[in-house]
Amino acid sequence: EAQVTQNPRYLITVTGKKLTVTCSQNMNHEYMSWYRQDPGLGLRQIYYSMNVEVTDKGDVPEGYKVSRKEKRNFPLILESPSPNQTSLYFCASSLLAHSNTEAFFGQGTRLTVV
Amino acid sequence: GENVEQHPSTLSVQEGDSAVIKCTYSDSASNYFPWYKQELGKRPQLIIDIRSNVGEKKDQRIAVTLNKTAKHFSLHITETQPEDSAVYFCAANPAGGTSYGKLTFGQGTILTVHP
Repeated sequence: EAQVTQNPRYLITVTGKKLTVTCSQNMNHEYMSWYRQDPGLGLRQIYYSMNVEVTDKGDVPEGYKVSRKEKRNFPLILESPSPNQTSLYFCASSLLAHSNTEAFFGQGTRLTVV
Repeated sequence: GENVEQHPSTLSVQEGDSAVIKCTYSDSASNYFPWYKQELGKRPQLIIDIRSNVGEKKDQRIAVTLNKTAKHFSLHITETQPEDSAVYFCAANPAGGTSYGKLTFGQGTILTVHP
């Protein structure tokens, strides 16, 4: 089944403790991105990747890192999480990096930083 | 960069009525306008999209219209059903360079359809 898979689905952590949220897609998509969803603000892009080893900042990149060592995986890293990073996170992938095509979203990761 | 404004933030209708959600965008270079539906606790899923070379697109009970001159686009749902209750997001995407795939989303509309 074609899908985007995120893990974990839920995570509660303490301020400053490094964490990684994994994202994997099995559709051979070129373009992958991370969004955070906050009430009243919609979905805001954190980072994106147009292909392996090509990543760039989105609209709200502060406090986050990403890597794209393989086409299928695009982990989101919070080196020192803070309470303002408490949010619902979505990974998404699209077939082509140079054409507008449907974005497929993962199931979401609800992160709470205390 | 692109800015997308979405209205209303909440919309309540009776089953069978029509629902309309409107979005405006700022970047005249945007040429792709998808709409996503997010049911409670679920991921956003594409329901319909439109490109700037068409003014209207329809798929059964849903339709999207685009006015490039005014830089706004709208989602129309006819004969609403309780299962249409969800959060709806509009988005815009400029073409060219590294902008492909970079969706800028509206703030979302919570649609409630009462039986």
